[in-house]
Amino acid sequence: EVQLVESGGGLVKPGGSLRLSCAASGFTFSSYSMNWVRQAPGKGLEWVSSISSSSSYIYYADSVKGRFTISRDNAKNSLYLQMNSLRAEDTAVYYCARSLAAAGTCDYWGQGTLVTVSS
Amino acid sequence: DIQMTQSPSSLSASVGDRVTITCRASQGISNYLAWYQQKPGKVPKLLIYAASTLQSGVPSRFSGSGSGTDFTLTISSLQPEDVATYYCQKYNSAPFTFGPGTKVDIK
Repeated sequence: EVQLVESGGGLVKPGGSLRLSCAASGFTFSSYSMNWVRQAPGKGLEWVSSISSSSSYIYYADSVKGRFTISRDNAKNSLYLQMNSLRAEDTAVYYCARSLAAAGTCDYWGQGTLVTVSS
Repeated sequence: DIQMTQSPSSLSASVGDRVTITCRASQGISNYLAWYQQKPGKVPKLLIYAASTLQSGVPSRFSGSGSGTDFTLTISSLQPEDVATYYCQKYNSAPFTFGPGTKVDIK
């Protein structure tokens, strides 16, 4: 069974940093592209970042480019999102999601971790 | 960047009705279009990819069509468990933008 479990969310002050993790199991993690998608409270889905299976290709939304860094450790079956210079508008539930085939499409999702940016 | 729009933003229909949601891309994206369902308080679920390919386990009352800039998601006979917000997403190239969503409820 495919499982994705996010961790690392919490309350952080504007300008602060946070590192999200996603532990994957039930599939060959090193064969799949992975994604981070977020959802602000009461709002729609926003794609944040994607990384290819070998980390050769990395993509970011303009809203986080230069502040967020996606990475993965295939030996540990883990996906990460380093978030720096956080802003109030980054407040959201952050989902880790596996790509179906092409980067961006998400066939399995974690339960999400809440990041709140507030003073 | 390519913008994604959806219409309507919300709809209310009766059980058994045929429901159609439209997604439009500001530029052509071939068939690189996915549809997701998000029930209240739940994680999004992939329904359709490649514009018309049903994801495994998704009921056959869901179907997708379109290519280029105009796409539709159809629920052939609306069921109470279909109450949800539906999102389209382009994935021809980054950014992999989602549409704003269409909220579907029962009349």
